[in-house]
Amino acid sequence: NAGVTQTPKFQVLKTGQSMTLQCAQDMNHNSMYWYRQDPGMGLRLIYYSASEGTTDKGEVPNGYNVSRLNKREFSLRLESAAPSQTSVYFCASSDPSNIQYFGAGTRLSVL
Amino acid sequence: AQSVTQLDSQVPVFEEAPVELRCNYSSSVSVYLFWYVQYPNQGLQLLLKYLSGSTLVKGINGFEAEFNKSQTSFHLRKPSVHISDTAEYFCAVTERYTGRRALTFGSGTRLQVQP
Repeated sequence: NAGVTQTPKFQVLKTGQSMTLQCAQDMNHNSMYWYRQDPGMGLRLIYYSASEGTTDKGEVPNGYNVSRLNKREFSLRLESAAPSQTSVYFCASSDPSNIQYFGAGTRLSVL
Repeated sequence: AQSVTQLDSQVPVFEEAPVELRCNYSSSVSVYLFWYVQYPNQGLQLLLKYLSGSTLVKGINGFEAEFNKSQTSFHLRKPSVHISDTAEYFCAVTERYTGRRALTFGSGTRLQVQP
């Protein structure tokens, strides 16, 4: 009964380094999302995928890329990390009634 | 486009007192409305949702919310709070009838329950 699983839970990067955040869901949902959470700003959508093979930009896509590898997995890549990308990142998937299920998050610090 | 405004960033309240967390939204189309709760160092979990039907919706842990279309509000209430309700609460909205299911969140309200 895992739901949405994100890895890693914590990561520290130096400016300019790259990394990929992994996300997998086992609920057979078509839609998946990446959000970032910053103090006082709620969650903001980075990218989403309505179905396998499709991705679309959200509110704050600059500096990120995504891959919908298959129906289960949706990864987020930072090609050249910047201090402004220090944040908590959440992956989510949604069922047909629009209810979203969230992972536990990845805390990323970029020095 | 849509937006969500949570009018209070922090709400301190004593244990067993009632509480209301306010949420107003703006949208040019019909919407679905949600409240999510985030406990410290955890992800978000659904508290309650309004999809259709009765405008008074009940959620987990004794919370309820009322959808008011004319005032574009979806305030969250609990008649008697517990220490364990201390958390951050997010109001969110998504459009009906579109393929875009992503949520637009408010900035959150931190509920601090004091003994």
